[in-house]
Amino acid sequence: AQTVTQSQPEMSVQEAETVTLSCTYDTSENNYYLFWYKQPPSRQMILVIRQEAYKQQNATENRFSVNFQKAAKSFSLKISDSQLGDTAMYFCAFMKHADFNKFYFGSGTKLNVKP
Amino acid sequence: EPEVTQTPSHQVTQMGQEVILRCVPISNHLYFYWYRQILGQKVEFLVSFYNNEISEKSEIFDDQFSVERPDGSNFTLKIRSTKLEDSAMYFCASSPRETVNTEAFFGQGTRLTVV
Repeated sequence: AQTVTQSQPEMSVQEAETVTLSCTYDTSENNYYLFWYKQPPSRQMILVIRQEAYKQQNATENRFSVNFQKAAKSFSLKISDSQLGDTAMYFCAFMKHADFNKFYFGSGTKLNVKP
Repeated sequence: EPEVTQTPSHQVTQMGQEVILRCVPISNHLYFYWYRQILGQKVEFLVSFYNNEISEKSEIFDDQFSVERPDGSNFTLKIRSTKLEDSAMYFCASSPRETVNTEAFFGQGTRLTVV
């Protein structure tokens, strides 16, 4: 069975600063994908960043980057230069290879960006 | 930008009643999903649907649940006889295809409250 754990229910960061959200997972699979999804208040959940487990290089998308540690089964999200629009619930998710769009989600981290 | 839309945003129903949650996926998408999140718990996969039939379902998706694409645009989740424990946020998602690089697009969710 796959499990995803986000140990930080809520975090705050000042605008323009950097914040890191933690995620760990447990799986016996070797091929899989990891995701961070963002859900702004009363809005759709949208994909922030995706990481293929077979790639050693950490994924980056503009101000968002991950620190993927496969051996440690850790997948943290770093948000640089935080903006007010980054305020949202962030979900870490796991997907087995070829099990497309069947996600195992963490419980989420609520991020508040303060002006 | 195309979005997955869900109606209603909040539904209150009495225990034992039937409820239908509605979703309009993005128009050229072929794969459809329902997830749910009980308050304070993780987002969980319920069912995937393709070519007018269920592709996969979780153990949560028992006989009281059904899905349908009645008219080529809507994708519905029916709960036949609601229980208190069905109270949750229900998310619909859609995807144009199921390959490693495709993204699932989520709706904003329907909060179901069973009283």
